[in-house]
Amino acid sequence: EAGVVQSPRYKIIEKKQPVAFWCNPISGHNTLYWYLQNLGQGPELLIRYENEEAVDDSQLPKDRFSAERLKGVDSTLKIQPAELGDSAVYLCASSLAGFEQFFGPGTRLTVL
Amino acid sequence: GQQLNQSPQSMFIQEGEDVSMNCTSSSIFNTWLWYKQDPGEGPVLLIALYKAGELTSNGRLTAQFGITRKDSFLNISASIPSDVGIYFCAGRGNDYKLSFGAGTTVTVRA
Repeated sequence: EAGVVQSPRYKIIEKKQPVAFWCNPISGHNTLYWYLQNLGQGPELLIRYENEEAVDDSQLPKDRFSAERLKGVDSTLKIQPAELGDSAVYLCASSLAGFEQFFGPGTRLTVL
Repeated sequence: GQQLNQSPQSMFIQEGEDVSMNCTSSSIFNTWLWYKQDPGEGPVLLIALYKAGELTSNGRLTAQFGITRKDSFLNISASIPSDVGIYFCAGRGNDYKLSFGAGTTVTVRA
């Protein structure tokens, strides 16, 4: 069974540029999560989807971050414009309903 | 979101040693999870605990769900070099939201 797929694995951009991350969850998993992981810290939830509905986006900085999961399968997380402090690893995870979450390899973002 | 208190922050261990790490929270959780993260990869689930007092093993790993539901520990027996990595605890309450600890970095001396 294929795991959670994320792309790109690495991204380097200059500040004020836009950036987008893509995630394809494990087949059949209806719940998808985006997490932010800063160096030396555990993951922190940004947004949780159940099918195509964002059921928890309370931690998503909506002034510059947006996400979508239009058909309830893959998802895109966007930052526009990026700031220096956005440098981090962005992790996607999926689960079957509220059961255990399986993580992708992450996208390491560097903002210069 | 809230962070759990995970300790120790890091440890150097001798190959073959048993090690222990723990996690505490001010909140009660219904589920405790332990993940391992290798460099450049996402966290991988090691053990899931669903009931207070539960003791579960996965190979050389053993984890327990504290009786107060506010703590958990993970033991690794007979450490080997591939045990190197960062171990995260995570707790989940009624809302399916996971709260993670800051991680314990394990380095094994051969």
